[in-house]
Amino acid sequence: DIQMTQSPSTLSASVGDRVTITCRASQSISSWLAWYQQKPGKAPKLLIYKASSLESGVPSRFSGSGSGTEFTLTISSLQPDDFATYYCQQYNSYPITFGQGTRLEIK
Amino acid sequence: QLQLQESGPGLVKPSETLSLTCTVSGGSISSSSYYWGWIRQPPGKGLEWIGSIYYSGSTYYNPSLKSRVTISVDTSKNQFSLKLSSVTAADTAVYYCARLEYCGGDCPNWFDPWGQGTLVTVSS
Repeated sequence: DIQMTQSPSTLSASVGDRVTITCRASQSISSWLAWYQQKPGKAPKLLIYKASSLESGVPSRFSGSGSGTEFTLTISSLQPDDFATYYCQQYNSYPITFGQGTRLEIK
Repeated sequence: QLQLQESGPGLVKPSETLSLTCTVSGGSISSSSYYWGWIRQPPGKGLEWIGSIYYSGSTYYNPSLKSRVTISVDTSKNQFSLKLSSVTAADTAVYYCARLEYCGGDCPNWFDPWGQGTLVTVSS
């Protein structure tokens, strides 16, 4: 199985900050990576697919980059609605696996 | 707009079989462009893919659960279902259904959209 490791596990930041979350794969997954946002009690919401493609309707302050084994999700200017947990997911091969999550909290 | 809704018992006894159904509305489960999956999330923990199914019945299961999982599809009802046998407390989780884009053959994909999720508790 491909292991996905996110860092940090928790990130404290303020409104307006630029933040970056990292996701590393245990082997190359090309660009087959998605990012999700999850708020408490809600289902995950797709933000990014194919490492850097922004899902329709997702604000442009979200961006993704990377290929191979290292990927990043960047939020250019944090808004109050962005405080949530973020997950990466690889779909290079079965079984589909997720990172353990990064909780973004208000500083 | 496509919507998915999970349904089933919220409480299952240990050693019994968990059964959930996902009803798809606003689109056809028989579309050749998509397939359908189940994901779970134990309380306070991360996401685990359980398995996926194409409308033709082709299935892909997580090896960690494969011996206990059966996913099936009912195109006449626009539904797909999950059965997980011999459950224990470790199977307590919110269970989500979701859609995946079909990419041809044996290739996984991302999940979008997701159902709202349903909490299943395993307890006597």
